[in-house]
Amino acid sequence: QVQLVESGGGVVQPGRSLRLSCAASGFSFRSYAMHWVRQAPGKGLEWVAVMSYDGTKEYCADSVKGRFTISRDNSKNTLYLQMNSLRPEDTAIYYCSRTTGTTTGDADYWGQGTLVTVSS
Amino acid sequence: DIQMTQSPSSLSASVGDRVTITCRASQGITNYLAWYQQRPGKVPKLLIYGASTLQSGVPSRFSGSGSGTDFTLTISSLQPEDVATYYCQKYNSAPLTFGQGTKVEIK
Repeated sequence: QVQLVESGGGVVQPGRSLRLSCAASGFSFRSYAMHWVRQAPGKGLEWVAVMSYDGTKEYCADSVKGRFTISRDNSKNTLYLQMNSLRPEDTAIYYCSRTTGTTTGDADYWGQGTLVTVSS
Repeated sequence: DIQMTQSPSSLSASVGDRVTITCRASQGITNYLAWYQQRPGKVPKLLIYGASTLQSGVPSRFSGSGSGTDFTLTISSLQPEDVATYYCQKYNSAPLTFGQGTKVEIK
C-alpha cells in the first residue's frame, strides 16, 4: 500500500535551516509529482511546493520562494524540502503528499506529517 | 494569483441534514478542483477531484459540482463521522491554493 513517511522536523532557531525528507513506498515514486503542504497550529492548509515526476519542474508558494527548495531523488524514492532562513511563521506540521499527475494535481495520499517549530 | 474563497467558514447542522459548502475561484479553473476532509487531529483525506468525481472509498452521500469559478460540496445526509473541516483546492496550475476551510459541526 502507498506509504509516505516524513522526517527531519524539530525545533530550530529563527534564521537557521532544516531539511525535511519524505520516504515513499508502495507505488512507482518516479511516476508521480509530489507536494509539500503545511498547516500552522490551529490554522488551515497551505500549499508549499510541488515537483514534477522527473524533477524538471518545481513551483513554490510566494511565502517560501527564495528560502525553501523542493527536490527529489527517484533512485531513493525520497522527496526533500530544504528550508533556509526559517521564520517563526514557518512553524507548522509539514505534510508530503502524492499527486495524481506527473506535474501537478490533487493529493490522493498524505503522510502523517512532521512538526517544525521555529523559536528562539 | 487565483484566490479560493469558501463559504461559510463554519456551520452547525443536525444528523440527517443536507449540507452545502461553496468554493469560489477568482478566475476560471475549468474543473481542476479538489475537496478534502480533515477530521480533528487527522491527516487530510481526498474526497472529490475533477470537481465532481468521488475518490474511491468515499461514501456516496458526498458529491461535488461546478465548473469555472463556482463549486459546491454537498453532504446529502450529515453523519456524526462527518464532523471535520473541509477544504477546496485548485490544481490547474501553481500556486495550488487551498480555500480557508469550512468547519462542520453537529447541532
